[in-house]
Amino acid sequence: DAGITQSPRHKVTETGTPVTLRCHQTENHRYMYWYRQDPGHGLRLIHYSYGVKDTDKGEVSDGYSVSRSKTEDFLLTLESATSSQTSVYFCAISESVQGYEQYFGPGTRLTVT
Amino acid sequence: GQNIDQPTEMTATEGAIVQINCTYQTSGFNGLFWYQQHAGEAPTFLSYNVLDGLEEKGRFSSFLSRSKGYSYLLLKELQMKDSASYLCAVRDSNYQLIWGAGTKLIIKP
Repeated sequence: DAGITQSPRHKVTETGTPVTLRCHQTENHRYMYWYRQDPGHGLRLIHYSYGVKDTDKGEVSDGYSVSRSKTEDFLLTLESATSSQTSVYFCAISESVQGYEQYFGPGTRLTVT
Repeated sequence: GQNIDQPTEMTATEGAIVQINCTYQTSGFNGLFWYQQHAGEAPTFLSYNVLDGLEEKGRFSSFLSRSKGYSYLLLKELQMKDSASYLCAVRDSNYQLIWGAGTKLIIKP
């Protein structure tokens, strides 16, 4: 299995508070992704990174920011959490965008009350 | 817009064969992926198709027709542990994965 961990695995927070989720990989893969998964929807891309300090927005980036200061760590921050951001968040990594699959971390279940 | 369609839920019997279909309309095509996701767990990679035809991997096979925007995942000799959701995803012209909502497969004894 690809070495990907996410922390925390579960979090309950209140509306309006900032939240940071961490993704850590030991595979030295260049590409890292943050997705959210909600019932009735496919996985939706929030942000992705194609190298240290290189990030770009995905389909549902509003209300989220990311940072990647080291190859192995990709942080997702909810600046001011809202109830609509209650979801399961998955981090994924891949060696390249051509011909390579993405490997997923175990996920973080976030509840915003 | 971009769209991936797959049935919401399917039921099959242990030991049987089931085919899960996926149709797609995307801006560009750079490969199609199938993933398996057990409840409460992360998706895990099953198969990748970039050329037309059938790719076989043990009990699982995946087929692609690019001209029809169509793929299927074939599961043979179904086992109870195959009860899971199966996700279809297409890599578009920007090399991003566009995901279907998944097909929940229920296996009955």
